[in-house]
Amino acid sequence: GAVVSQHPSRVICKSGTSVKIECRSLDFQATTMFWYRQFPKQSLMLMATSNEGSKATYEQGVEKDKFLINHASLTLSTLTVTSAHPEDSSFYICSASETGGNYGYTFGSGTRLTVV
Amino acid sequence: AQSVTQLDSQVPVFEEAPVELRCNYSSSVSVYLFWYVQYPNQGLQLLLKYLSGSTLVKSINGFEAEFNKSQTSFHLRKPSVHISDTAEYFCAVSDSGSGNTGKLIFGQGTTLQVKP
Repeated sequence: GAVVSQHPSRVICKSGTSVKIECRSLDFQATTMFWYRQFPKQSLMLMATSNEGSKATYEQGVEKDKFLINHASLTLSTLTVTSAHPEDSSFYICSASETGGNYGYTFGSGTRLTVV
Repeated sequence: AQSVTQLDSQVPVFEEAPVELRCNYSSSVSVYLFWYVQYPNQGLQLLLKYLSGSTLVKSINGFEAEFNKSQTSFHLRKPSVHISDTAEYFCAVSDSGSGNTGKLIFGQGTTLQVKP
């Protein structure tokens, strides 16, 4: 079945630095990828929709200059948390949608970001 | 816009007992419905989905859910749970129309606690 690889699984960074998270579709092409954020014991909050070759669409309240999304190919989307602060600490999960009109939703294993 | 309500934040149940996790949705358009399971510090795994056709859908590990359009519900059931079913369960909805972007809206999640 469809597999989405997300790296790193855990990252600890200092406040003020930037962190890049990668999301790759391993055996299918993903014209669309989604980035979610999950706080402890809470649901997933959609941050943005990433479309290959075009700008990402951000949900209301999500700072696009802080959470930079790049979807340069049909198999890779990246989320960069810029100038990270402790309040950005969270669990970030990506999801990929297959092409061809088959609405498959496959999730990565998530990235635990801790900003110290 | 769609929304999803999971009526129970936690459901404790003894092993081998039946369980029902409730999910109601709100939408002005036709929808696809999903149940996902999440184990600690992991991504989401698709449990089952309703796209069209039979309103009763089943997973390979004994779970089933029934789409009830009149009650706008998609409750998840299992006749006999195992310790290994202990996890967080999320109900999700997406727009099934021609403008479907694959964006999922999640409920708040239900923690299923199976006790020996």
